[in-house]
Amino acid sequence: GAGVSQSPSNKVTEKGKDVELRCDPISGHTALYWYRQSLGQGLEFLIYFQGNSAPDKSGLPSDRFSAERTGGSVSTLTIQRTQQEDSAVYLCASSLGLQADTQYFGPGTRLTVL
Amino acid sequence: KQEVTQIPAALSVPEGENLVLNCSFTDSAIYNLQWFRQDPGKGLTSLLLIQSSQREQTSGRLNASLDKSSGRSTLYIAASQPGDSATYLCAVRRATGFQKLVFGTGTRLLVSP
Repeated sequence: GAGVSQSPSNKVTEKGKDVELRCDPISGHTALYWYRQSLGQGLEFLIYFQGNSAPDKSGLPSDRFSAERTGGSVSTLTIQRTQQEDSAVYLCASSLGLQADTQYFGPGTRLTVL
Repeated sequence: KQEVTQIPAALSVPEGENLVLNCSFTDSAIYNLQWFRQDPGKGLTSLLLIQSSQREQTSGRLNASLDKSSGRSTLYIAASQPGDSATYLCAVRRATGFQKLVFGTGTRLLVSP
């Protein structure tokens, strides 16, 4: 596609449910990043992938968060047993490689946990 | 730990004014600094990228400067237009290790016709 796409665009869930957020990067981009943007916290880095590998998972806020990437393309961010503090916009970005200057961002998924 | 601060948090100006957005960062060991624009419901769009060895970058009505030693960058918008209304974010990449982006909290700009 022409840009990074994310689905769903909006997700409302009940506390305690699991959710999956999807990111389709730009074709040919080997690096993929997840960020979270919440009120009062700004935009924070969560995790990155080089190919299918995520070398550093320390940015994930808790062990309820996990992410995977398959085929060097699509990535899924999974949040288990969602809490109200997980409510945020989750942004995905991709770049040609980790050394590339420009990250291209998707429109985000707005997650609301009731 | 790198911290990035943006001032002001919000700005409202009439159309046609020139304006300056400020970004400061605590660790001067950066690889580059970027300015992004974010429109409601949309992702981030990169506006300007300044490498650590550069002093400024220009694109159309936008000019970004970088003073690495003092930990500051400014985004200058000339002859503002209502279409410039958005949130502006600066982000820095550190010079060593994995080069993740560290974002400021943003400046929300409203340009009135």
